[in-house]
Amino acid sequence: AQSVAQPEDQVNVAEGNPLTVKCTYSVSGNPYLFWYVQYPNRGLQFLLKYITGDNLVKGSYGFEAEFNKSQTSFHLKKPSALVSDSALYFCAVRDMKGGGSYIPTFGRGTSLIVHP
Amino acid sequence: DTGVSQDPRHKITKRGQNVTFRCDPISEHNRLYWYRQTLGQGPEFLTYFQNEAQLEKSRLLSDRFSAERPKGSFSTLEIQRTEQGDSAMYLCASSRTSGNPAGETQYFGPGTRLLVL
Repeated sequence: AQSVAQPEDQVNVAEGNPLTVKCTYSVSGNPYLFWYVQYPNRGLQFLLKYITGDNLVKGSYGFEAEFNKSQTSFHLKKPSALVSDSALYFCAVRDMKGGGSYIPTFGRGTSLIVHP
Repeated sequence: DTGVSQDPRHKITKRGQNVTFRCDPISEHNRLYWYRQTLGQGPEFLTYFQNEAQLEKSRLLSDRFSAERPKGSFSTLEIQRTEQGDSAMYLCASSRTSGNPAGETQYFGPGTRLLVL
């Protein structure tokens, strides 16, 4: 079984400050982790993914995420937030142990609000 | 690459009516997924196709829901006898088979927002 948790419903940060959006996961085998962003009334846009290799993954729009196996976390980060980063952020996980499903499980989402 | 498109973007219907949504995936993407998203939740998986074959269905997909992908290109999702609980955003996503299926990236369409009165 696979699951993902986004412990914060909302994150508030001032423009120019660093931001972190948290994600923890649970899988039986190796995790494949994804971050997506959703703007109002839009579909999800892919930001980045972790498959294997370096624990620090760089993605679109200056975002990066750090995979931490011991803490089962995959937090999304950005060194300097922009007002335009305000959106809903979703973490997703796939567990392919035993040749499992291709279907990812999504978290409930975290609303990021960047204040001018 | 024009992205995943969905039609219509919005649909308002009365309870008991049937509705049909269309999804056009990115060309050459052989996998197509349908999700449902309600307010305050992440996308919940409904069903997925590899080419024209429907390979997996969620328990969420009741008998009133049916999906097709007849030629392995576009897909339709039909809801019969709609209920107020069907009100949600219906998202379509597509991906291309790679050597590592778990690592495939799904690309989402803009969604169809359904309101059942």
